[in-house]
Amino acid sequence: QVQLQESGPGLVKPSQTLSLTCTVSADSISSGAYYWSWIRQHPGKGLEWIGYIHYSGSTYYNPSLKSRVTISVDTSKNQFSLRLSSVTAADTAVYYCARQSVAVAAGDWFDPWGQGTLVTVSS
Amino acid sequence: SFELTQPPSVSVSPGQTASITCSGDKLGDKFACWYQQQPGQSPVLVIYQDNKRPSGIPERFSGSNSGNTATLTIGGTQAMDEADYYCQAWDSSTAVFGGGTKLTVL
Repeated sequence: QVQLQESGPGLVKPSQTLSLTCTVSADSISSGAYYWSWIRQHPGKGLEWIGYIHYSGSTYYNPSLKSRVTISVDTSKNQFSLRLSSVTAADTAVYYCARQSVAVAAGDWFDPWGQGTLVTVSS
Repeated sequence: SFELTQPPSVSVSPGQTASITCSGDKLGDKFACWYQQQPGQSPVLVIYQDNKRPSGIPERFSGSNSGNTATLTIGGTQAMDEADYYCQAWDSSTAVFGGGTKLTVL
């Protein structure tokens, strides 16, 4: 069954860039059948969608984060990555990667999710 | 901007039916999904496209969506169903999540 695993630094200094990678197993990003998303969850809070990428390189970002977000894909490694620039304490959260099923009429869903990785922004 | 509103908490007795609502402007014109999140774990999809269950999700989980409200219904609620539940829909190509509902089985 498909599995996703996030990796990257757990601590980032304010004003720096947060970088995470999601490694996908038992599915090929290059199949083109899915989008691949990043979602975050502030401590004790709800979920916030960050954005998605398709293997073709097509992306879409949450307008609230768009100016600071870059999502990229490396099909040779079956990975996709998140970069979030100019981070502040407000970016401290658990970051999840997830496979996004493409459906008609904007009925996409997220399944499965990675286990998540906590990123703390602090000096 | 489009928002989804959920009650912060819902309580249910074991074996009874739990209903969790999710409200948003003309939500019935969109598709709604539901995710279950156990403490310390990542979310799991339990309902997609309003009322479809992924494989492996028990039949006691069902969903509906009409008007301004989507509803997740858990029939014959079990202790293992105690968790946070989040609804999700799309608006202007952006995924929007509800604030989450803590389901307590007591």
